[in-house]
Amino acid sequence: GNSVTQMEGPVTLSEEAFLTINCTYTATGYPSLFWYVQYPGEGLQLLLKATKADDKGSNKGFEATYRKETTSFHLEKGSVQVSDSAVYFCALRSNFGNEKLTFGTGTRLTIIP
Amino acid sequence: NAGVTQTPKFQVLKTGQSMTLQCAQDMNHEYMSWYRQDPGMGLRLIHYSVGAGITDQGEVPNGYNVSRSTTEDFPLRLLSAAPSQTSVYFCASSYPQGANTGELFFGEGSRLTVL
Repeated sequence: GNSVTQMEGPVTLSEEAFLTINCTYTATGYPSLFWYVQYPGEGLQLLLKATKADDKGSNKGFEATYRKETTSFHLEKGSVQVSDSAVYFCALRSNFGNEKLTFGTGTRLTIIP
Repeated sequence: NAGVTQTPKFQVLKTGQSMTLQCAQDMNHEYMSWYRQDPGMGLRLIHYSVGAGITDQGEVPNGYNVSRSTTEDFPLRLLSAAPSQTSVYFCASSYPQGANTGELFFGEGSRLTVL
């Protein structure tokens, strides 16, 4: 079946540091890939997505590239801010049938000034 | 715009008690769903609905019941609470196309503890 593996947290970085949160997946066919973010006290919200190999999703300075050869969708940001402190979830949706989202376990990110 | 509203935000139950988690959305979304979030497990789908009067089971449906009498509301019922149901519950909704593309709108979550 489908599965998503995220790097374990928590991750603590200083402001303006470079961020990478690793995400790899197992799925049949060609899934769509997503990053969701959950800010403190709020629900999850879609951060970015990619629907086919080599696509790059981007939003709010975050980027992730769909790498089919390595089955990965790593989240990156060049210079993090305190306001990026949140929990980040990688997710996939298989494009076969009526599959639902499969989520990773989440990575808690804390940025210190 | 309220989006997806869940109540209560926190609840403590004793084993065997029943309760209902409420979920309401004001975006006219046809698709609604319930997830639970447990440490080290990610979010797992409990039940979902593609429209009023239509519900279906997700990955972990046992011990939960749902109904969808209106487009706006999708309550989740625990018939006889067990400690294994201690979790954070999220309601999410979208247009049907969003359900297929993964673009869900989430509520803030409801933290349930079963003693």
